[in-house]
Amino acid sequence: AQTVTQSQPEMSVQEAETVTLSCTYDTSENNYYLFWYKQPPSRQMILVIRQEAYKQQNATENRFSVNFQKAAKSFSLKISDSQLGDTAMYFCAFMKLVNYNTDKLIFGTGTRLQVFP
Amino acid sequence: EAGVTQSPTHLIKTRGQQATLRCSPISGHTSVYWYQQALGLGLQFLLWYDEGEERNRGNFPPRFSGRQFPNYSSELNVNALELEDSALYLCASSVGGGVMNTEAFFGQGTRLTVV
Repeated sequence: AQTVTQSQPEMSVQEAETVTLSCTYDTSENNYYLFWYKQPPSRQMILVIRQEAYKQQNATENRFSVNFQKAAKSFSLKISDSQLGDTAMYFCAFMKLVNYNTDKLIFGTGTRLQVFP
Repeated sequence: EAGVTQSPTHLIKTRGQQATLRCSPISGHTSVYWYQQALGLGLQFLLWYDEGEERNRGNFPPRFSGRQFPNYSSELNVNALELEDSALYLCASSVGGGVMNTEAFFGQGTRLTVV
């Protein structure tokens, strides 16, 4: 079975600074995807960034980037130039591929990020 | 284009009652996923429907059940409600149908409170 661990229940950062959220996972699968989702107070889960396990290059989406270490099963999220609107719960998630089809998402317990002015 | 919509937004039930939660996926999406988000926990996978069939089920008792209708909307039913069923229930949809697409879009959830 796959598990996702987020060891930082809460983090805080000052506006314009950089923060890194940690995530580790455990799997015996070789084909899978990793995600970071953001859940603001509105409760809506929003996809932040996605990484294919077969790609060595780290994914980047504007101010958001990941450090994907496949051998170490680590998938951290770096937020640069933090903005007040980045305040939210952040969830790391894992999805295995079943016969090259998508499967359910397995989530970590989340990290609450507070951005201070 | 409308996103994933869930109803009701809030639901208060008494222990032992039944709750019915509804989800309408994005137009063109055939896969619907249900997740439970209890306080302090991450999202726990409940059920996955694709093209009208149950594809996978999480580690929940049988009193959690659901279905998917021909228009791909879905219902989650929780029977014999217990206090610990109080949670945010999130629905997500994706393209499904065997199409290789990993992006799931979430609704805003139904907050179920059992008293």
